[in-house]
Amino acid sequence: DARVTQTPRDKVTEMGQEVTMRCQPILGHNTVFWYRQTMMQGLELLAYFRNRAPLDDSGMPKDRFSAEMPDATLATLKIQPSEPRDSAVYFCASGLTGDTEAFFGQGTRLTVV
Amino acid sequence: ILNVEQSPQSLHVQEGDSTNFTCSFPSSNFYALHWYRWETAKSPEALFVMTLNGDEKKKGRISATLNTKEGYSYLYIKGSQPEDSATYLCALDSGGSNYKLTFGKGTLLTVNP
Repeated sequence: DARVTQTPRDKVTEMGQEVTMRCQPILGHNTVFWYRQTMMQGLELLAYFRNRAPLDDSGMPKDRFSAEMPDATLATLKIQPSEPRDSAVYFCASGLTGDTEAFFGQGTRLTVV
Repeated sequence: ILNVEQSPQSLHVQEGDSTNFTCSFPSSNFYALHWYRWETAKSPEALFVMTLNGDEKKKGRISATLNTKEGYSYLYIKGSQPEDSATYLCALDSGGSNYKLTFGKGTLLTVNP
């Protein structure tokens, strides 16, 4: 049963702390997306990778957010330092090409207090 | 920034009613149009991916049409059931070989028994 796996599922942290979210895409998928769910923006695209190369991270606050794919089985989204306004659910999704569906992970619910 | 617009924002219908909602997108940036169903506390799941003008897709009581020349897609649900209650998202793939998915804010459907 192929699925996108995200860890942790829930994270509560104090303002100023570093947060790292991880995503294991479906084996064989070459495109990985990071989205943030907000009330105002819905699913907001933060960054995405194709064949591990970052294609667009313009949706991401550069001063505190960073996204990487150290290998084909792992994508990370890091926030340092975290702020209360970063509290949201962060989704990872993976896919192959635009004419095929993307598969979403279960999300990481981040709360920064 | 691509504007993918969905309307209405929310919809309440009675069980058995048929309903439809709209996704609008810039036709000049079209590569593929995705529809996803997103239940509360779960992750989005793909319903359809459409690539050709005039495409019609159907899955059970749900169907979708696509007009790429005027930049819109309709999602129809026939004989709504309470289990259809969810947020329905459309996403535009504008990236061609680079596969970039930009989501609308969704239509929240509530089906009352």
